[in-house]
Amino acid sequence: TQLLEQSPQFLSIQEGENLTVYCNSSSVFSSLQWYRQEPGEGPVLLVTVVTGGEVKKLKRLTFQFGDARKDSSLHITAAQPGDTGLYLCAGYRRNAGNMLTFGGGTRLMVKP
Amino acid sequence: DVKVTQSSRYLVKRTGEKVFLECVQDMDHENMFWYRQDPGLGLRLIYFSYDVKMKEKGDIPEGYSVSREKKERFSLILESASTNQTSMYLCASSLGTGSYEQYFGPGTRLTVT
Repeated sequence: TQLLEQSPQFLSIQEGENLTVYCNSSSVFSSLQWYRQEPGEGPVLLVTVVTGGEVKKLKRLTFQFGDARKDSSLHITAAQPGDTGLYLCAGYRRNAGNMLTFGGGTRLMVKP
Repeated sequence: DVKVTQSSRYLVKRTGEKVFLECVQDMDHENMFWYRQDPGLGLRLIYFSYDVKMKEKGDIPEGYSVSREKKERFSLILESASTNQTSMYLCASSLGTGSYEQYFGPGTRLTVT
């Protein structure tokens, strides 16, 4: 069982649709990051959320950190084919050194 | 921008060969990490280093070793490659103590035949 559970694992939608990806844990994290990884490339950091209840927006992407800092969500409005990729959440806990705990990822495909 | 580079994008090796994967970062980061990524298993930490000549085992260190002789360079070594080490290998770095944002290289897709 992974410490960070992402859902759904796979998502295939049409261009223009909205979607939400979830990242859940029973543990509290000091911060949480979201990454996007395109095929054949390394993950690229999208955002870091630190405060419980925090909401950050990056163009059509909205990231939220749960009040209890145990979960997070990523919402994409009007998805575009360029949003296609693997979305990874990663949590940081202060007592775990400098390491991150990664979720299993959500593979998103946006069809034109 | 932080730049993390990896020596090879694709590598094919034979069982039993010694394999070196090199990673270089140009932002004077203290921490460096090696992960492997496999379908259905996500990213798994192999080793990390928080200083020159310092290393710590991650979740799956068996069959691997690392070397960090210079701050900017972190090498992953497969002493005797096996087919179950076929995977995507990702290197990452982060600034230092308390800094959790990791910056990844493009990855090396290693195939062991």
